[in-house]
Amino acid sequence: AQTVTQSQPEMSVQEAETVTLSCTYDTSESDYYLFWYKQPPSRQMILVIRQEAYKQQNATENRFSVNFQKAAKSFSLKISDSQLGDAAMYFCAYRSRYTGNQFYFGTGTSLTVIP
Amino acid sequence: EAQVTQNPRYLITVTGKKLTVTCSQNMNHEYMSWYRQDPGLGLRQIYYSMNVEVTDKGDVPEGYKVSRKEKRNFPLILESPSPNQTSLYFCASSGTDYGYTFGSGTRLTVV
Repeated sequence: AQTVTQSQPEMSVQEAETVTLSCTYDTSESDYYLFWYKQPPSRQMILVIRQEAYKQQNATENRFSVNFQKAAKSFSLKISDSQLGDAAMYFCAYRSRYTGNQFYFGTGTSLTVIP
Repeated sequence: EAQVTQNPRYLITVTGKKLTVTCSQNMNHEYMSWYRQDPGLGLRQIYYSMNVEVTDKGDVPEGYKVSRKEKRNFPLILESPSPNQTSLYFCASSGTDYGYTFGSGTRLTVV
């Protein structure tokens, strides 16, 4: 089974600054999807950004962007101009295109935004 | 509005009293799944379903049952809940090429 590793259980960032959350994964597949989900204190799981493995271009969504390094199996999330509302737990996820379309989640990174 | 509706949001029950958490989606998704979330452990999959009448175990299926009689509904059943099933539960659904849409979560406490 694929594994997803988030090695930073907690991180903090000053408001308006930039922070990068790390995610690595292990797979032998060539085609898959990667996601970042945000879980604020309301506990709702919100899709932040999605990357398709066959696309070399890094995905961006407003202040959120990824650095997708397929060979290194790395998928980091960069949050620019951090806002207080960005404070949340962030989960990295992998979705297989082959093995029953299964999802695999990391253990999460708790982000604190300091005013 | 496209959504996954999960009920109840909060539930306190006693050990051994059967309960069902309902999940319904209105997006005609084939893939549905149940997760539990515990501190430090992230999201762990309980069961998933790839279509009507097709279900399979995830990583932590012990003590849980599911059914998929209709495409839109995927209830989670705890036949005899125990305190170690106290957790935050999420239902999620997905189309083939996209990420999950999650329900709002159910905070279950078993005393």
